[in-house]
Amino acid sequence: AQSVAQPEDQVNVAEGNPLTVKCTYSVSGNPYLFWYVQYPNRGLQFLLKYITGDNLVKGSYGFEAEFNKSQTSFHLKKPSALVSDSALYFCAVREGNFNKFYFGSGTKLNVKP
Amino acid sequence: DGGITQSPKYLFRKEGQNVTLSCEQNLNHDAMYWYRQDPGQGLRLIYYSQIVNDFQKGDIAEGYSVSREKKESFPLTVTSAQKNPTAFYLCASSAGRTSAPEAFFGQGTRLTVV
Repeated sequence: AQSVAQPEDQVNVAEGNPLTVKCTYSVSGNPYLFWYVQYPNRGLQFLLKYITGDNLVKGSYGFEAEFNKSQTSFHLKKPSALVSDSALYFCAVREGNFNKFYFGSGTKLNVKP
Repeated sequence: DGGITQSPKYLFRKEGQNVTLSCEQNLNHDAMYWYRQDPGQGLRLIYYSQIVNDFQKGDIAEGYSVSREKKESFPLTVTSAQKNPTAFYLCASSAGRTSAPEAFFGQGTRLTVV
């Protein structure tokens, strides 16, 4: 069965420090992996995706994510956090030939000045 | 502007009423989805449609119904059979292509039972 796990409900980081939001996945075929961000009372905004190729993918707002096939992980990273990065982050997976998405439970990122 | 439009943004329902949430997209996407989000929880799939005139139940379809008569529209009806409908509802669409597999979301409809 396909699934996504975000082991941390909340991540706290000081502004200017690097941040990591963790995600692990389980699919039976080749995965498409995604990160989304949600601000209060808004829809999800697409940040980045992994389809194939380089394990390090770059996305919007300076975010990047590292795909690790052996650890079935797709952690979101940013070298220097901003207070405006504070939001709810979701990891998602889609199995290659299917149109169904599976989302993690979300991680609340708090960036303190 | 291309995108997904959900309306209304806020909706109030009385006990026993059916209500319909609108979702329209002009991205020419084949696949469309409805998700429910409760406070502190992730997204749960209600229904999805991969093509016009076809749709499948998701994980929590009971008490909901959908139609897909046009490619650009995927309305969700919350029926009186849904006992706890207060939630934030999100509509999404995707092209389904391997080169562009991501989903795009509308801004959501917050439904409250009064």
